[in-house]
Amino acid sequence: DAGITQSPRYKITETGRQVTLMCHQTWSHSYMFWYRQDLGHGLRLIYYSAAADITDKGEVPDGYVVSRSKTENFPLTLESATRSQTSVYFCASRVTSSLTGGELFFGEGSRLTVL
Amino acid sequence: GQNIDQPTEMTATEGAIVQINCTYQTSGFNGLFWYQQHAGEAPTFLSYNVLDGLEEKGRFSSFLSRSKGYSYLLLKELQMKDSASYLCAVSGAKIKAAGNKLTFGGGTRVLVKP
Repeated sequence: DAGITQSPRYKITETGRQVTLMCHQTWSHSYMFWYRQDLGHGLRLIYYSAAADITDKGEVPDGYVVSRSKTENFPLTLESATRSQTSVYFCASRVTSSLTGGELFFGEGSRLTVL
Repeated sequence: GQNIDQPTEMTATEGAIVQINCTYQTSGFNGLFWYQQHAGEAPTFLSYNVLDGLEEKGRFSSFLSRSKGYSYLLLKELQMKDSASYLCAVSGAKIKAAGNKLTFGGGTRVLVKP
């Protein structure tokens, strides 16, 4: 039972390069999310998706692109990486449940450093 | 918009009780969540409140007052392994609507000392 997995776990890149962070879930959850976590800011929502081919912006979408051609995959692309995008990125999926309110399940995180 | 506030850091002694407060201002409310996050790891779900009152789950309890925009997480009989960050998050939309997302506070780092 793999759950939700992210790759790569660690990535170092240079300013201006394109980077894609992968996210894969095995539960068939409809909702998926990308958050970034920085000291002093907590978790901030970048993009989310309600289903395949349905995506929408979150709080900090600039500089990022997402796609969701299949329910299980939700890749996040930095089209031209900047130093301010150095962060830990978490992918999450959400189950709909009246008991738990629809808790988020998080991947292990992808630590990205932009030099 | 949504604004969620919680203290940055708290220190407590092993075996003691700690209360982490969270205040929120949101446009729409459909539940408040608490997550635990150990250093270098992903957040994990602790509790969910949608109605006023106290929800107890073992050593952890969570309280909600919707009229006051206030919640707290109570950790009893603290153990060293409880040293972690605790994140308060609010769902501002109904669960089946588009925009089914959680907004997080900055997190409270709890340090448990022997």
